[in-house]
Amino acid sequence: AQTVTQSQPEMSVQEAETVTLSCTYDTSESDYYLFWYKQPPSRQMILVIRQEAYKQQNATENRFSVNFQKAAKSFSLKISDSQLGDAAMYFCAYRLSSGSARQLTFGSGTQLTVLP
Amino acid sequence: SQTIHQWPATLVQPVGSPLSLECTVEGTSNPNLYWYRQAAGRGLQLLFYSVGIGQISSEVPQNLSASRPQDRQFILSSKKLLLSDSGFYLCAWSRIAEQETQYFGPGTRLLVL
Repeated sequence: AQTVTQSQPEMSVQEAETVTLSCTYDTSESDYYLFWYKQPPSRQMILVIRQEAYKQQNATENRFSVNFQKAAKSFSLKISDSQLGDAAMYFCAYRLSSGSARQLTFGSGTQLTVLP
Repeated sequence: SQTIHQWPATLVQPVGSPLSLECTVEGTSNPNLYWYRQAAGRGLQLLFYSVGIGQISSEVPQNLSASRPQDRQFILSSKKLLLSDSGFYLCAWSRIAEQETQYFGPGTRLLVL
């Protein structure tokens, strides 16, 4: 079974600084997707970034980028120029690229605080 | 564009009462649909998913059930709520295509007293 581990329950960053959130996963599959979702106080889950395992290039979305290390099964999220609106719970998630319904497996989350 | 709705937004119910949470998706056809539960301070747990009308798969044995009476409607139900059913319930949808991503609704806060 696939598992996703986020070893940092809480992180904090100064506004305008950079922070990296860690995620590791365990799978025997070679073809899958990885995601970072953000859950602000409203609790709606918002997709931040997605990475296809077959792509060597790290995904980037504006201030958000990932460091995908397939051999190490590591998928960290880097937030540059942190803003107050980035404060949220961040979840790493894994999904097989094929299968009956492609369920997401989530990590336990990292609560990010942005300090003014 | 696609949108996903959930209601009610908040619900307080006594133990033993029935439950019906509704999720609808607009702007797409034949989506995969999902129900997740998030306990306070924890990650998401997949409860049910559906790949089509009347097709429901359950991930964990529990007091809840799900139904999909229409293509873009997904309902989470219970005949008798338990205290342990309290939590935040999220509905999500995804496209059938291989590279779909799951998009989440605003969620329903359920408190069972």
